[in-house]
Amino acid sequence: GAGVSQSPRYKVAKRGQDVALRCDPISGHVSLFWYQQALGQGPEFLTYFQNEAQLDKSGLPSDRFFAERPEGSVSTLKIQRTQQEDSAVYLCASSLQGYGYTFGSGTRLTVV
Amino acid sequence: QQQVKQSPQSLIVQKGGISIINCAYENTAFDYFPWYQQFPGKGPALLIAIRPDVSEKKEGRFTISFNKSAKQFSLHIMDSQPGDSATYFCAASYSGSARQLTFGSGTQLTVLP
Repeated sequence: GAGVSQSPRYKVAKRGQDVALRCDPISGHVSLFWYQQALGQGPEFLTYFQNEAQLDKSGLPSDRFFAERPEGSVSTLKIQRTQQEDSAVYLCASSLQGYGYTFGSGTRLTVV
Repeated sequence: QQQVKQSPQSLIVQKGGISIINCAYENTAFDYFPWYQQFPGKGPALLIAIRPDVSEKKEGRFTISFNKSAKQFSLHIMDSQPGDSATYFCAASYSGSARQLTFGSGTQLTVLP
């Protein structure tokens, strides 16, 4: 597609539930990033893939967060045993070579 | 640790006025400074970016001013329009970080008609 597609757009999870967030990057984009954006704040880096390799996961807040990109295109961010503090917008971005990111519209996760 | 500090938090400008948003950074390794515009329910979109080898970059109504010695950079929006009403984020990255972005906390701009 022409842009970065994320699904679902909205997700409500009960505390303790596992969730999976999907990102379809722009075709051919090598780099893929996940960011977390809390309400009224700037996005914060979570993790980075170059093709299928996860080269940096230093921003993942806990071992409940896991990301994968098995074939170098679609990526999934999984959050296990969700907590209220996980409520945020999760943004995916892709780029050809690290500059000029294109962001998706995000998935708004609400943990109740 | 907040490495990019942004001000003001909110800004109200009359149509036709100049909007100015300021950012300061700490990490001297940063070598790429973009500004992003975000509308409600959308992801950030790249507006304009600068590298530290120039002091100013202009694209249409948008200008970035960069002061390397002060570790500060700013966005000027000339002839502000109601359609410019959005949240603006400054950001920074460096080559050793795979170009991950460190964002400021954002400025909510409202341009009154």
